[in-house]
Amino acid sequence: EPEVTQTPSHQVTQMGQEVILRCVPISNHLYFYWYRQILGQKVEFLVSFYNNEISEKSEIFDDQFSVERPDGSNFTLKIRSTKLEDSAMYFCASTLGRTTSYEQYFGPGTRLTVT
Amino acid sequence: AQTVTQSQPEMSVQEAETVTLSCTYDTSESDYYLFWYKQPPSRQMILVIRQEAYKQQNATENRFSVNFQKAAKSFSLKISDSQRGDAAMYFCAYRSETSDDKIIFGKGTRLHILP
Repeated sequence: EPEVTQTPSHQVTQMGQEVILRCVPISNHLYFYWYRQILGQKVEFLVSFYNNEISEKSEIFDDQFSVERPDGSNFTLKIRSTKLEDSAMYFCASTLGRTTSYEQYFGPGTRLTVT
Repeated sequence: AQTVTQSQPEMSVQEAETVTLSCTYDTSESDYYLFWYKQPPSRQMILVIRQEAYKQQNATENRFSVNFQKAAKSFSLKISDSQRGDAAMYFCAYRSETSDDKIIFGKGTRLHILP
């Protein structure tokens, strides 16, 4: 069965460094998402992406964050200058359609640790 | 704004027994979907069961069933005949039918299966 994959599984970076988290959505899916979960907190929506542009973003998704689908298969989340509070598990998701009849499929997550 | 609350950070159940995970939510919308997602350790979050708010009948998927109380804004998950493979983090989640496609999650309940 097709799956969403994410790399790396764990990323350690120093404060102020740029980090890129990578996701490979399911191949025929059209809508892509990033969520994050700070340890002990809720899973929070960050951004949705369709047709090579952001559809919606949360207030968490500030100018330090960007998303890209560089080659038609990968979907990346870049954090330009990481802060300690960016430490979290980041989940990528994809879906074929936007309505609730289409399930969002999640990847296993990337644990980002900012030191 | 919609919120989802899971008040049980951890639960334990003996194999073959039944366990109920609690979830409450808050919304002013009338059309929405509710979900339970399961995340085994280091694995993808997968959809366990979904409930359309307009349906009075509680959803059932094999050993998993929900108790949906719309007026009380309560959405609990019952797992019957618990198995070792049920050990995971369970997230209750909400999605608007009309306004957007992001999913709003609770903090999760970690379920332990005791031999």
